[in-house]
Amino acid sequence: GESVGLHLPTLSVQEGDNSIINCAYSNSASDYFIWYKQESGKGPQFIIDIRSNMDKRQGQRVTVLLNKTVKHLSLQIAATQPGDSAVYFCADPGSRDNYGQNFVFGPGTRLSVLP
Amino acid sequence: DSGVTQTPKHLITATGQRVTLRCSPRSGDLSVYWYQQSLDQGLQFLIQYYNGEERAKGNILERFSAQQFPDLHSELNLSSLELGDSALYFCASSAHPDGNSPLHFGNGTRLTVT
Repeated sequence: GESVGLHLPTLSVQEGDNSIINCAYSNSASDYFIWYKQESGKGPQFIIDIRSNMDKRQGQRVTVLLNKTVKHLSLQIAATQPGDSAVYFCADPGSRDNYGQNFVFGPGTRLSVLP
Repeated sequence: DSGVTQTPKHLITATGQRVTLRCSPRSGDLSVYWYQQSLDQGLQFLIQYYNGEERAKGNILERFSAQQFPDLHSELNLSSLELGDSALYFCASSAHPDGNSPLHFGNGTRLTVT
């Protein structure tokens, strides 16, 4: 069935280092992916998205890489800062039927930035 | 600020009761989604509306119902509440209903059932 999952439940990095958060998906028909950041007490916040016709997309300090061959995507955060500490989710549109859709979210990876 | 507004922020009620959660989508967004997030759980899709019409349904319990009104705000009704219904309930909105644009989330309603 369709599922989106994350390889690591927790990740600790030193402030200033780069962070890499991974995500595997199972639906080979998935063509759109989104990364969200959720801070304590807040709703998920959109970070960056990528469509399946791209392998890489860059934002401000973040890069998403998509490997369709192995159905894997990653979020890279450059020069990680304390404010990056949060839970990160990947998501894809799930069972899209051109009528409605339900984005499927992975379980999340908790990123902790160490001083 | 995502532009999605949810009220109330916190709700404490007893088992067997009924509550209504409210959501106002971002200006211009026609599609509204409801998600449930339990402790240590991911985001579970409940239901989607687009311009007042139900478009997709997840594992939403029969005790739960939702609607989207002509002004596009949405309400999620939870009845015969059980302890296990305690969770964060998020509303999200998007410009289109077809999964080609990102969801923008509110800050949720934290429901505690005692």
